[in-house]
Amino acid sequence: QVQLQESGPGLVKPSQTLSLTCTVSGGSISSGGYYWSWIRQHPGKGLEWIGYIYYSGSTYYNPSLKSRVTISVDTSKNQFSLKLSSVTAADTAVYYCARGSTSPDYWGQGTLVTVSS
Amino acid sequence: DIQMTQSPSTLSASVGDRVTITCRASQSISSWLAWYQQKPGKAPKLLIYKASSLESGVPSRFSGSGSGTEFTLTISSLQPDDFATYYCQQGLTFGGGTKVEIK
Repeated sequence: QVQLQESGPGLVKPSQTLSLTCTVSGGSISSGGYYWSWIRQHPGKGLEWIGYIYYSGSTYYNPSLKSRVTISVDTSKNQFSLKLSSVTAADTAVYYCARGSTSPDYWGQGTLVTVSS
Repeated sequence: DIQMTQSPSTLSASVGDRVTITCRASQSISSWLAWYQQKPGKAPKLLIYKASSLESGVPSRFSGSGSGTEFTLTISSLQPDDFATYYCQQGLTFGGGTKVEIK
């Protein structure tokens, strides 16, 4: 059973960089066949895709966030990571990592990141 | 960009009811549509992929149909565990969600 777990600071100051890591267990990122995604959900709102990465490092980002987003992968640790720069209060959300791009089937539990001074 | 419009935004129903949720795409997306169920404080759960394929382990009362620009998620007989919010998704875009409430 594939499991994903997000980790990282729950509080980030405005203008700083949000950094999260997703650790995958029960399956290997480097085995291929899947993209690995970051998706967020603003409090009480709908879902917004941030982007995704393949084990090779190939990425695709939501154009609305592209200028601020970097997604990377560390196959040796079976992890992939999200960096979102120049954050504002509008980036306060629950951040999910997930397996897949067309229809993610496994999701992490989500982690709330609050942007506040 | 493709826009996904779900309706209704809220639906009140009773246990045993047949429930239908609609998702419309702003342009044809063939059958590349997924449906998710989300309960408060939980991650979304994949129900349907490729418009009509039932994800493993999902009860058969859930079904999906449609192609092109109009898609539906049907719950044939609503169960107490089904009260939740449902989202459609195509590519990087999610619909706005449909909250299924107890009538």
